Amino acid sequence: DIQMTQSPSSLSASVGDRVTITCRASQSISGYLSWYQQKPGKAPKLLISATSVLQSGVPSRFSGSGSGADFTLTVSSLHPEDFATYYCQQGYITPRTFGQGTIVEIK
Amino acid sequence: QVQLHESGPGLVRPSQTLSLTCTVSGDSINTDIYFWNWIRQPAGKGLEWIGRVQSSGRTNSNPSLKSRVTMTVDTSKNQFSLKLSSVTAADTAVYYCAREDYGDYPYWGQGTLVTVSS
Repeated sequence: DIQMTQSPSSLSASVGDRVTITCRASQSISGYLSWYQQKPGKAPKLLISATSVLQSGVPSRFSGSGSGADFTLTVSSLHPEDFATYYCQQGYITPRTFGQGTIVEIK
Repeated sequence: QVQLHESGPGLVRPSQTLSLTCTVSGDSINTDIYFWNWIRQPAGKGLEWIGRVQSSGRTNSNPSLKSRVTMTVDTSKNQFSLKLSSVTAADTAVYYCAREDYGDYPYWGQGTLVTVSS
């Protein structure tokens, strides 16, 4: 299985802050990396697919980058609705695997 | 608008079989373009991929669960189903169904909580 490791596990930030979350795969995943946002009691929401493709309706303050086994999700300026848990996921091979999640909390 | 909806018992006894169905609307399940997936999340924890099925019946399962997982498709009802046998308390989780598009999941059900308890 490909292991996905996110860092940090949690962070505290203020509205307007720039936030970066990293995701490292245990092997190269050829860009098949997606990012999800999950709020309590809700299903995850796909934000970014294929490393950097922003999904329709997702604000442009979200961006993704990376290659090989190392990837990054950046929120350029946190809005109040961005406080949530974020997961990365590899779609390169099965079994599909997710990072352990990064909780973004209000400072 | 693609929508998915999970249904099934919310309580399953230990050693019994968990059975869930996902009903898809706004899209036909009778295509091998997409995979139809099951993903679960224990309370306060991360996401675990259970497996996926295509309309042809082709399946892939997580090796950690493979011997206990059965997935099927009913194209006449536009549904796909999950059976997980010999459940224990460790199988207590919110179970999601989701459509896989080339490796990622743009469409999810709302999730259904399944508790394993006597």
